[in-house]
Amino acid sequence: DAMVIQNPRYQVTQFGKPVTLSCSQTLNHNVMYWYQQKSSQAPKLLFHYYDKDFNNEADTPDNFQSRRPNTSFCFLDIRSPGLGDAAMYLCATSRGTMVSEAFFGQGTRLTVV
Amino acid sequence: AQSVTQLDSHVSVSEGTPVLLRCNYSSSYSPSLFWYVQHPNKGLQLLLKYTSAATLVKGINGFEAEFKKSETSFHLTKPSAHMSDAAEYFCVVSALNDYKLSFGAGTTVTVRA
Repeated sequence: DAMVIQNPRYQVTQFGKPVTLSCSQTLNHNVMYWYQQKSSQAPKLLFHYYDKDFNNEADTPDNFQSRRPNTSFCFLDIRSPGLGDAAMYLCATSRGTMVSEAFFGQGTRLTVV
Repeated sequence: AQSVTQLDSHVSVSEGTPVLLRCNYSSSYSPSLFWYVQHPNKGLQLLLKYTSAATLVKGINGFEAEFKKSETSFHLTKPSAHMSDAAEYFCVVSALNDYKLSFGAGTTVTVRA
């Protein structure tokens, strides 16, 4: 009965080779978020969608892009991964109100070789 | 803008003893506050949330937190630590007209046998 599902759990990609991470939800939530979390650090918001509206954080590198083709799915594309992009990537959803908690997926651990 | 400060980066307790994780918040408006737990290589799980109802909030796994407006604090406690409580804990805030979450830096909890 997993509600936010991320695939794959572990991804190894080559330096500079495009990679896509996927997230799906069964909660029908308006908002989907992508976070980057490096070792021993708090999650850092990259961007989010409120329905179809895309909201990029000011300091998110252009190398990171996202797609949300429908309510249930959201993708994170890294166009040219560098060694510094190795991290845990977390997808989360919420109903999009101030009092709404976020529901997180299990994360995708990205390794860049 | 809202923010949270977790006052301890690392807390070590013996099994069966109380746990206290401290969090102070800053917000221009009455905030919503959350505590999340993250076990190694896993996503974040909601422990509890405060949304302007009762100031003492009970969560899962025996955790509770008290919202103190006068002290701008939202400390997390558990009367008796279990080995399975060893994890990373994040205090998180959202504020009026803003459904984005602001994370504290996290507190690592170690439980000694």
